[in-house]
Amino acid sequence: SYELTQPPSVSVSPGQTARITCSGDVLGENYADWYQQKPGQAPQLVIYEDSERYPGIPERFSGSTSGNTTTLTISRVLTEDEADYYCLSGDKDNPWVFGGGTKVTVL
Amino acid sequence: EVQLVESGGGLVKPGGSLRLSCAASGFTFNNAWMSWVRRAPGKGLEWVGRIKSKIDGGTTDYAAPVKGRFTISRDDSKNTLSLQMNSLKIGDTAVYYCTASLTFGMDVWGQGTTVTVSS
Repeated sequence: SYELTQPPSVSVSPGQTARITCSGDVLGENYADWYQQKPGQAPQLVIYEDSERYPGIPERFSGSTSGNTTTLTISRVLTEDEADYYCLSGDKDNPWVFGGGTKVTVL
Repeated sequence: EVQLVESGGGLVKPGGSLRLSCAASGFTFNNAWMSWVRRAPGKGLEWVGRIKSKIDGGTTDYAAPVKGRFTISRDDSKNTLSLQMNSLKIGDTAVYYCTASLTFGMDVWGQGTTVTVSS
């Protein structure tokens, strides 16, 4: 099966920048999306096709891909950005796979 | 308003079956690719499977852990998505979300329904 690897946790101070990586063997060949899930809420789409911000998502959120790693960057972090973040991509045998998720804590 | 509402969750014994439904409204259901995603207690999101729109072939794809046990279907006349779950295991315990792909990614999500597999 295909695996996407994320760090389990990232801690950041308000106003600073958080970077969440997602690595996979063929990530450079397939688009990735990013989803945010806050406690008690359904997930929501944040970034699609590696770097496109979904409508309504603040400009503080951005995505990029280099090689087989895709990165979600949250600039000028707010306390409301505290959530679990998941990347999603796939390969020829596995249409969609989520990464293990990264818990972002705003200290 | 674009909306997805799941139903059918509950408590079931290992080896049992359960059928989840998802009622869609506010968008053209028959054009959307639909998926199920779950989150088990203390774990991350897991994509379960999807069904394409009929115009794109109407085919289904499943994650390896559920292939052969779960079946996704759609009734475009009733704007309803279903997930038939058979041979349930304790590891299938999770909140199950219905999602729709209207523009990009999975951009519409329901609030989820809880499935508990326990003896």
